[in-house]
Amino acid sequence: DQQVKQNSPSLSVQEGRISILNCDYTNSMFDYFLWYKKYPAEGPTFLISISSIKDKNEDGRFTVFLNKSAKHLSLHIVPSQPGDSAVYFCAAWYTGNQFYFGTGTSLTVIP
Amino acid sequence: KAGVTQTPRYLIKTRGQQVTLSCSPISGHRSVSWYQQTPGQGLQFLFEYFSETQRNKGNFPGRFSGRQFSNSRSEMNVSTLELGDSALYLCASSLTAWREETQYFGPGTRLLVL
Repeated sequence: DQQVKQNSPSLSVQEGRISILNCDYTNSMFDYFLWYKKYPAEGPTFLISISSIKDKNEDGRFTVFLNKSAKHLSLHIVPSQPGDSAVYFCAAWYTGNQFYFGTGTSLTVIP
Repeated sequence: KAGVTQTPRYLIKTRGQQVTLSCSPISGHRSVSWYQQTPGQGLQFLFEYFSETQRNKGNFPGRFSGRQFSNSRSEMNVSTLELGDSALYLCASSLTAWREETQYFGPGTRLLVL
């Protein structure tokens, strides 16, 4: 059972525009959320995180929004750059030292 | 500081065989987690080791096992390989695996089962 879902397998955005990647989760016990970025032939690298006590966290061009009532997480990248082209995974933490990952969204930023 | 290393990077096996994958965490990290990545399922948690003890286990059959050594290096073993075990296997290390800590992933071992 997939507890963290990314329903868009791919997304294409023009350089300079906003990229919005979405993530839904089913378990209300999740209390910490993260986004990872993965380039081909490399492992995922941590991008940004948010605790369930917040609804927004910002780091440079990256902002993560959390809507607990909708069990929805989103990552905004503004402005998008070609180097942002990668696969993005959202992940959620559940007590017990286990992360649950989504299936990933492949972002392509078109120059 | 050296990153997480995984060996081998690529592996081809046939059904019924067994395989052992290795992960060396970042120096000082005591937690190692293993994940299986497949196109349709994303990253799925296999298990997590901390100080040589398996602390958590995902929903995988008993054919998947692991261990951690005193130097925190970890191995993952898959016995009686099936075609569906073809995947990218990633390990990640962190100090204690607490949620606010960043997990650092290795480049993965790509396993192909024929």
